[in-house]
Amino acid sequence: QKEVEQNSGPLSVPEGAIASLNCTYSDRGSQSFFWYRQYSGKSPELIMFIYSNGDKEDGRFTAQLNKASQYVSLLIRDSQPSDSATYLCVVLGGGADGLTFGKGTHLIIQP
Amino acid sequence: GAGVSQSPSNKVTEKGKDVELRCDPISGHTALYWYRQSLGQGLEFLIYFQGNSAPDKSGLPSDRFSAERTGGSVSTLTIQRTQQEDSAVYLCASSYSRGDNEQFFGPGTRLTVL
Repeated sequence: QKEVEQNSGPLSVPEGAIASLNCTYSDRGSQSFFWYRQYSGKSPELIMFIYSNGDKEDGRFTAQLNKASQYVSLLIRDSQPSDSATYLCVVLGGGADGLTFGKGTHLIIQP
Repeated sequence: GAGVSQSPSNKVTEKGKDVELRCDPISGHTALYWYRQSLGQGLEFLIYFQGNSAPDKSGLPSDRFSAERTGGSVSTLTIQRTQQEDSAVYLCASSYSRGDNEQFFGPGTRLTVL
C-alpha cells in the first residue's frame, strides 16, 4: 500500500521565521509531488508541484525533492500569520492510481 | 461555471437511507476525482474518472459506494444504506487531464448520517 507520511503537528513558527514542512513517501516509482494548503473548513488549493530532484522556488515558497531518500519538503520564508493552515503532501504514482494524500501538517504562525 | 461545483453543500440523512452527491467539474476537464475527508483526517482517495470511464475504483470503501460520470462531465457519487461512519466531507476535484499539474477542488458536500 502506498503511503505518504507527514508529522501532524501542530508546528508553531514565529512570524518572519522559516517554516519547514517535511514528507516521506513509500512508492519509489512516484513521479510527481504536490503541496496543497487547506484552511480550516475550506477545500485544498495547490501551492507548488515538483518533479525533479533539487529545489524549486516560487516567491516565499521552496519545494525540495530527494527521490533517493523518498523525501519532499516545503520551506516557507518570512512566515506570515496568513500562512497558518494545514499543508498536505500529495504524491502521484506512475500507474493508473489516483493521488495519495498525506494527512497534513498543521502549521501555526505566531504573530 | 468558473470552478468545480458540488451539490448539495450539506446533507443530513438517516442511517440506512441512500444519498446522491453531485459534482460538476470545470468545463473541458477530462479527469475527475472523488475524495473523502473525515473530521481531523487527511484526504482519502475514492475514485477517479478519465472521461466517462473509471480506471481506478480501488478507493471505494465498500460495495455500498458507487459512482458514475456521463457525457464526460457531471459525476454522481451514490452511497447506499448509509452508515454513521460514512459521515464526512466529500470533495470532488477535476483537472485538464490525469497527468495535469493541478487539481481544482470543489467546495465539498458535508454528509451527516444520524
